[in-house]
Amino acid sequence: QVQLQESGPGLVKPSETLSLTCTVSGGSISSYYWSWIRQPPGKGLEWIGYIYYSGSTNYNPSLKSRVTISVDTSKNQFSLKLSSVTAADTAVYYCARERRDDIRGLYYFDFWGQGTLVTVSS
Amino acid sequence: SSELTQDPAVSVALGQTVRITCQGDSLKNYYATWYQQKPGQAPVLVIYGKNNRPSGIPDRFSGSSSGNTASLTITGAQAEDEADYYCNSRDSSGNHWVFGGGTKLTVL
Repeated sequence: QVQLQESGPGLVKPSETLSLTCTVSGGSISSYYWSWIRQPPGKGLEWIGYIYYSGSTNYNPSLKSRVTISVDTSKNQFSLKLSSVTAADTAVYYCARERRDDIRGLYYFDFWGQGTLVTVSS
Repeated sequence: SSELTQDPAVSVALGQTVRITCQGDSLKNYYATWYQQKPGQAPVLVIYGKNNRPSGIPDRFSGSSSGNTASLTITGAQAEDEADYYCNSRDSSGNHWVFGGGTKLTVL
């Protein structure tokens, strides 16, 4: 069973860079797409961006200027950096595995991490 | 604002049937995926594709779609089904993901 675990600081100061890592266990990071998704307290889910194990990325246009997602296949990890954070970036951040089947038109997130709360505050 | 629209809240009597809907242009081209989220927990996949349930999801959960509207139906709702439900799909460009705003289901 694939498991994902987010890690990183729970508190970040305004204007600084939020950095999180997702460690994948129980399976290889290869051949899959991996996403970051966040959820502000009491609000809905927002997709941040994804990375393919080869390193290709795609980001939410609303966050694109501040987001960088990278992958380290040797460690079975992928990471998120979000720069110039404000209080509006306070959220639970989830990492998730994407499943894609272009032939059958199937696209979904099948495994999620438990999430980690990141608070932006001085 | 979300490109997928859901009703904020829906209620159902215990044992009855409830339908949760999701509307958006991208649903004309892509299936909706449905996730269940209970307080303090990560979302859990319940329906994907035309009407597929992952292992462990009860068969009282089903999915359907018509035009730009996707639906999640719970036939014989149980107390443990009380949760937030989110729909999700590729966006109209096919390059990004979008989520609906979520529907809070209350089982009375």
